Amino acid sequence: DTEVTQTPKHLVMGMTNKKSLKCEQHMGHRAMYWYKQKAKKPPELMFVYSYEKLSINESVPSRFSPECPNSSLLNLHLHALQPEDSALYLCASSQGLAGGDEQFFGPGTRLTVL
Amino acid sequence: AQSVTQLGSHVSVSEGALVLLRCNYSSSVPPYLFWYVQYPNQGLQLLLKYTSAATLVKGINGFEAEFKKSETSFHLTKPSAHMSDAAEYFCAVSLTGTASKLTFGTGTRLQVTL
Repeated sequence: DTEVTQTPKHLVMGMTNKKSLKCEQHMGHRAMYWYKQKAKKPPELMFVYSYEKLSINESVPSRFSPECPNSSLLNLHLHALQPEDSALYLCASSQGLAGGDEQFFGPGTRLTVL
Repeated sequence: AQSVTQLGSHVSVSEGALVLLRCNYSSSVPPYLFWYVQYPNQGLQLLLKYTSAATLVKGINGFEAEFKKSETSFHLTKPSAHMSDAAEYFCAVSLTGTASKLTFGTGTRLQVTL
């Protein structure tokens, strides 16, 4: 299984809502990532988890809260988001954190904040 | 710090023509280089990667790229374009000996015409 799955595919939420994005991989990868991608832009790294511990936080606002319950799952909890947070949220995983490790991407969750 | 520059945000070729997408990198240490493709409303898929084993790298779907240290380039080519190649292409770099932190270029949209 060489797939990263993400749910939901689409999400519409108000600024006062709390929601979560989910990501799962069964490739035995020990590193997982969250990226944010705005239209016609490259992905921007948000968080990196390695062996279920937060390794990198790219100064992301606290309204985004990541969680890695186990080595196969990665969540992104959303609370009090702003309309400018509307974007495609991509999850990725890699075998480890070596520079040459390929990152496998999921299909993304299209988030709209009203 | 590492970075990549993709020349040309939009490239248009005829079906059957050569595809050339340009990527130049900046890095103070030997880099790892990647080309990813993104189809509309999908995640990123790895086309190929350079990890210093060979300067000419062959990837999926008939794409290849050549690492040229003297020119700090890693251009992507395909001898004959197909309509299904129409997509967004991202060049990315990560460094040896560091966390697997990809830095993406701004992307090139490839259009294939009849």
